[in-house]
Amino acid sequence: DVKVTQSSRYLVKRTGEKVFLECVQDMDHENMFWYRQDPGLGLRLIYFSYDVKMKEKGDIPEGYSVSREKKERFSLILESASTNQTSMYLCASSVRQGAHEQYFGPGTRLTVT
Amino acid sequence: AQSVTQLDSQVPVFEEAPVELRCNYSSSVSVYLFWYVQYPNQGLQLLLKYLSGSTLVESINGFEAEFNKSQTSFHLRKPSVHISDTAEYFCAVGENSGYSTLTFGKGTMLLVSP
Repeated sequence: DVKVTQSSRYLVKRTGEKVFLECVQDMDHENMFWYRQDPGLGLRLIYFSYDVKMKEKGDIPEGYSVSREKKERFSLILESASTNQTSMYLCASSVRQGAHEQYFGPGTRLTVT
Repeated sequence: AQSVTQLDSQVPVFEEAPVELRCNYSSSVSVYLFWYVQYPNQGLQLLLKYLSGSTLVESINGFEAEFNKSQTSFHLRKPSVHISDTAEYFCAVGENSGYSTLTFGKGTMLLVSP
């Protein structure tokens, strides 16, 4: 069974703090993804990575950065958290190319106050 | 660019009634399609997928979806729903090129009441 884990289920941070969200997958997948999920907006892709140290912007990268130093780990960084980044953050992984599903972690609900 | 439209944000039904959740997509190349389900406070779980071959695909818990290329649709159906099917359902489309990214619809909340 594919397992994608995220470091925290719930997180509360203050405006201006630097926030790290960690994601680990155990299936040797090349691709990893970070989404944010907001009511009525569905899932929106922030960044993805198709290999170690490689990254591509998604649809809403502003205010975020990512890091992938090891194949199994993909980190999302909020350099200076703002209240409009309060959201559910979902990590996913998949095989690199072709018609393959993505496997999701349980999500991190981040509240920025 | 691909896009996905889920026409209903919420679908209320009674237990044991049939249900259809609608999904339409647009893409300029061949696609593959997914339905995911999200129970409260959980991540997304794959419900079923269309990659190629038979246009009717089924899940283990009684859901089915039919890929209709001419209507660019991939509607999800279940002949008799249970209370436990209450969840949010997301349709997603991917293209057979590039990095295997998916585009998700905005979701449909299925509310099953007794």
